[in-house]
Amino acid sequence: KAGVTQTPRYLIKTRGQQVTLSCSPISGHRSVSWYQQTPGQGLQFLFEYFSETQRNKGNFPGRFSGRQFSNSRSEMNVSTLELGDSALYLCASSLEGYRNTGELFFGEGSRLTVL
Amino acid sequence: EDQVTQSPEALRLQEGESSSLNCSYTVSGLRGLFWYRQDPGKGPEFLFTLYSAGEEKEKERLKATLTKKESFLHITAPKPEDSATYLCAVKGTSGSRLTFGEGTQLTVNP
Repeated sequence: KAGVTQTPRYLIKTRGQQVTLSCSPISGHRSVSWYQQTPGQGLQFLFEYFSETQRNKGNFPGRFSGRQFSNSRSEMNVSTLELGDSALYLCASSLEGYRNTGELFFGEGSRLTVL
Repeated sequence: EDQVTQSPEALRLQEGESSSLNCSYTVSGLRGLFWYRQDPGKGPEFLFTLYSAGEEKEKERLKATLTKKESFLHITAPKPEDSATYLCAVKGTSGSRLTFGEGTQLTVNP
């Protein structure tokens, strides 16, 4: 069974640019969450999508946005990049419904470097 | 607001030297406590979920336990391949998000 797939794995941008990251969840998983991981802050919750609707949002500025498509694939976008946005962006999917036991299954992440 | 504190930040063991990692938490209505393992440059790998005080789960050399205020990850006779960062997270009633601790970086020397 394929895991969570994130693309691209690595990317370098300059300040002021924007970036779009993509995530394909595990087949059958309809919930997708995004987290930012940095050495100083650890894993911080960005947002969660379920059935194309944002269900939960973390404390990040409006420059961070996301969406989910009808096939459960998700994208997140960061506009007007700042140096502090350099991080590992992790996508996770989970199973919903009566079989939901709460675990998140993570992808390998997208490593963003902002110069 | 849910909070998770892990200790120690880093732990260095000799192969075969058993030890425990601690995860202290405050949460409004625990819906699950999760342990993950993360290798450098990779995403976290799910290990265990614990739901109520007194619950224990085991997997190979790892055993996770839960009380009302903390969880322990016991590592018995570790091997160098157990070297990784171990993350603890909680899910409360305030939503579907997980709140993570900063992790414990474990190094097992041969």
